[in-house]
Amino acid sequence: DTAVSQTPKYLVTQMGNDKSIKCEQNLGHDTMYWYKQDSKKFLKIMFSYNNKELIINETVPNRFSPKSPDKAHLNLHINSLELGDSAVYFCASSQERDRTQHQYFGPGTRLTVT
Amino acid sequence: GNSVTQMEGPVTLSEEAFLTINCTYTATGYPSLFWYVQYPGEGLQLLLKATKADDKGSNKGFEATYRKETTSFHLEKGSVQVSDSAVYFCALNTGGFKTIFGAGTRLFVKA
Repeated sequence: DTAVSQTPKYLVTQMGNDKSIKCEQNLGHDTMYWYKQDSKKFLKIMFSYNNKELIINETVPNRFSPKSPDKAHLNLHINSLELGDSAVYFCASSQERDRTQHQYFGPGTRLTVT
Repeated sequence: GNSVTQMEGPVTLSEEAFLTINCTYTATGYPSLFWYVQYPGEGLQLLLKATKADDKGSNKGFEATYRKETTSFHLEKGSVQVSDSAVYFCALNTGGFKTIFGAGTRLFVKA
């Protein structure tokens, strides 16, 4: 019954590798997001998709590529991983056109690049 | 542009103490205001919200009042518990495709 799920929960990999994180929501929302949270808990939006269309791309390196095969899924692929990519990545969803609605977050994926 | 400023942490309190975490905002239009909580090892979850001026949001003993005149949405709780230890985020949404989050305030509650 998980509303927003992410896999994997933990990801440990070496510099230069390519990895993907998957996200699925079963809430029927039309908008999905990827956030990066650093060690100081600062939350930075990376991407937002509305009805499978990219609408926010916040100066994220080209090594990061989101893909939304349908409204319920938003995946994040990262090429040539760097040490600075180590963080917790959160997926979220909402019905964003309605300003009264909040976002639902997944449990996070802790990425460690060595 | 829209922004949210919340007090820096960490905030350390003893159990049963009174909690205030300050939050002020800048926004065009009429935003909704939110407090999210992040417990250790988990994602953010909604704690409470207010969608118009003078509304009070409340949940789990926490409350916050939407003050348009002071552009504030301060979080309060009368008696904190150890289980309230978490990171608290103030946020606003003006109806676009982007919610603006504050930097987060870490709360530690000692037994």
